[in-house]
Amino acid sequence: GDSVTQTEGPVTLSEGTSLTVNCSYETKQYPTLFWYVQYPGEGPQLLFKVPKANEKGSNRGFEATYNKEATSFHLQKASVQESDSAVYYCALSDSGGSNAKLTFGKGTKLSVKS
Amino acid sequence: ETAVFQTPNYHVTQVGNEVSFNCKQTLGHDTMYWYKQDSKKLLKIMFSYNNKQLIVNETVPRRFSPQSSDKAHLNLRIKSVEPEDSAVYLCASSTWGLYEQYFGPGTRLTVL
Repeated sequence: GDSVTQTEGPVTLSEGTSLTVNCSYETKQYPTLFWYVQYPGEGPQLLFKVPKANEKGSNRGFEATYNKEATSFHLQKASVQESDSAVYYCALSDSGGSNAKLTFGKGTKLSVKS
Repeated sequence: ETAVFQTPNYHVTQVGNEVSFNCKQTLGHDTMYWYKQDSKKLLKIMFSYNNKQLIVNETVPRRFSPQSSDKAHLNLRIKSVEPEDSAVYLCASSTWGLYEQYFGPGTRLTVL
C-alpha cells in the first residue's frame, strides 16, 4: 500500500533560521501530494497541494517541489517565525482509487523559539 | 460560517460506557471522514462516507460505528469504550474526486 515517511520530530529552531522537513513516499499510483499543518487545539488544515510532478507548491512562505524521480516532497521555509510552531504532515492521495483516501506521514512537531 | 463543526470538544468517561460524537459540515461537501489521532499525533483514517454510503472502513474494532443521516452529518458511536480509545477524534470532509480534506477541531476522549 501507499506510505509516507517524514522527518522525525520534534524539531526546535530559533526565529529567523531555515526549515527543511523531509518527506518521501511510496505508491504505485500517480498521487497528488499535500502538506497539512496543525496548530495546537485545532484540526489539521491544508497548507498547499501539488497535483503534478516537477511542480512546486507554496503558501505563507512555505514551499515544496514534487520530485517524482526521487519520490520526495520536502517542505522548506527560509525564515521561520514563532507562529510557525505546529505539527506538519506530509500526505498523498490514493489517486488510483475511488475513495479519495489520504495517507498521512507521522507528523513533525516544530517549535520555534524567539 | 462554513466549516466542519464537532461536538463535544472534550469527553471523559469510564471504561465500558457508550459515547457518541457529532460532526456537521457546512461546506457543501459530499464525503466525510473520521480519523483517530493518538498521543503521538499519528493520524489514522477510520471511516469515510460518500452521500451517506460507507466507502472506507479501515480495520477498527466493532465497538466503533459511524452513523450518517445526510451528507452533511457523520456521527461516531463507541459502544463500551476501552482505555486505548483515549485519543482525539477528528472529522473531515471533502468533495468526491477532489483530495483536499477540511478538518474539524476534534473531540478529545479520555477513558478512565
